[in-house]
Amino acid sequence: EIVMTQSPATLSVSPGERATLSCRASQSVSSNLVWHQQKPGQAPRVLIYGASTRATGIPARFSGSGSGTEFTLTISSLQSEDFAVYYCQQYNNWPRTFGQGTKVEI
Amino acid sequence: QVQLVQSGTEVKEPGASVKVSCKASGYTFTTYGITWVRQAPGQGLEWMGWIHPNSGATNYAQGFQGRISVTRDTSISTVYMELSRLTVDDTAVYYCVHFGYRYEVNYWGQGTLVAVSS
Repeated sequence: EIVMTQSPATLSVSPGERATLSCRASQSVSSNLVWHQQKPGQAPRVLIYGASTRATGIPARFSGSGSGTEFTLTISSLQSEDFAVYYCQQYNNWPRTFGQGTKVEI
Repeated sequence: QVQLVQSGTEVKEPGASVKVSCKASGYTFTTYGITWVRQAPGQGLEWMGWIHPNSGATNYAQGFQGRISVTRDTSISTVYMELSRLTVDDTAVYYCVHFGYRYEVNYWGQGTLVAVSS
């Protein structure tokens, strides 16, 4: 199965700053990569699919890039509501697999 | 509106099996696959398996092979996830999710807590 590795495990950022999260796949997943956001006590939600397409209702400060094995989620100017855990997940191969998550904290 | 409603909390002893249901409404049930994801306390998301309700085709994560079964009953728009030979490490919240064709939408069930304890 494809192993997804996220870095860093924790990212400490101040409100208004830019955050850059990385995700690496153990083999190519083309652009079949989704980013999920999970806030405490809530179910996750999809932010980005197809590596770079924002899901409906997701603010433009969230952007995704990459293809193949290297992917990036960028939050251009962190808002208080963006402090959460972010997971990448590939859907190119079965079984689908998640990264271990990056916690974005203040 | 699309809704996925899951069955309630389960408490099981090690070695037992659990069957969690997920009833879909608000869309044509046989059109989109349903995914099962779990999250142990304080841990990350774990992809478990998937079913296409129309064909019944399934795919499972390697770590669950042999003890997971995902089925559906199209007459009542419900998907089931059964996990056998439970251990304490299976204590988690289990979610069913509708991700559309290619993750362009996402609808999550409310989650079902399965607690395994002797």
